[in-house]
Amino acid sequence: NAGVMQNPRHLVRRRGQEARLRCSPMKGHSHVYWYRQLPEEGLKFMVYLQKENIIDESGMPKERFSAEFPKEGPSILRIQQVVRGDSAAYFCASSQDRGSPLHFGNGTRLTVT
Amino acid sequence: ILNVEQSPQSLHVQEGDSTNFTCSFPSSNFYALHWYRWETAKSPEALFVMTLNGDEKKKGRISATLNTKEGYSYLYIKGSQPEDSATYLCAYRSGGGADGLTFGKGTHLIIQP
Repeated sequence: NAGVMQNPRHLVRRRGQEARLRCSPMKGHSHVYWYRQLPEEGLKFMVYLQKENIIDESGMPKERFSAEFPKEGPSILRIQQVVRGDSAAYFCASSQDRGSPLHFGNGTRLTVT
Repeated sequence: ILNVEQSPQSLHVQEGDSTNFTCSFPSSNFYALHWYRWETAKSPEALFVMTLNGDEKKKGRISATLNTKEGYSYLYIKGSQPEDSATYLCAYRSGGGADGLTFGKGTHLIIQP
């Protein structure tokens, strides 16, 4: 049973470009979470999605960031017009339901030059 | 904004000694408290999910307790081994489970041989 798959592992973008981060949850998991880890900081919650629905996006910046989890295919975290401050590791996790533990992917490290 | 505080921030323990650290969280609107272990160059792995006041869970030499009325949880490690070196994260969930999981910054544990 494959774990949570994130790709790419590393992504380099120039300022102003778009970044698309992908996350395939574990088989049978319909809940997906995105977190951002900045240097010297912990995991900052961004968004919680359940198939086709955004459940909690209280941690998402109001502009340039969006997330989706379509009926078919992976969850996508999209960052438009990236700036240097977006450079961070972005982790995706999935769970079977609200009461279950999270299973994490290996993260995508975004570098904005 | 939910405040999940962990202490201490870091901890050095001699091999064979036992240790414990704390997670504090808002006591209102509680749904669940999670503990994760995060080793360097890996992704976080779930240790426990706790939901009931007075809950006590155990996994090998690691155990955890939960007090939802006063808003704290303790993680205990008995007879520390070098492989226990990791960052231990707690995460709080409120809102009937509809909210995302908010992580503390972690306790960085180093076991000295």
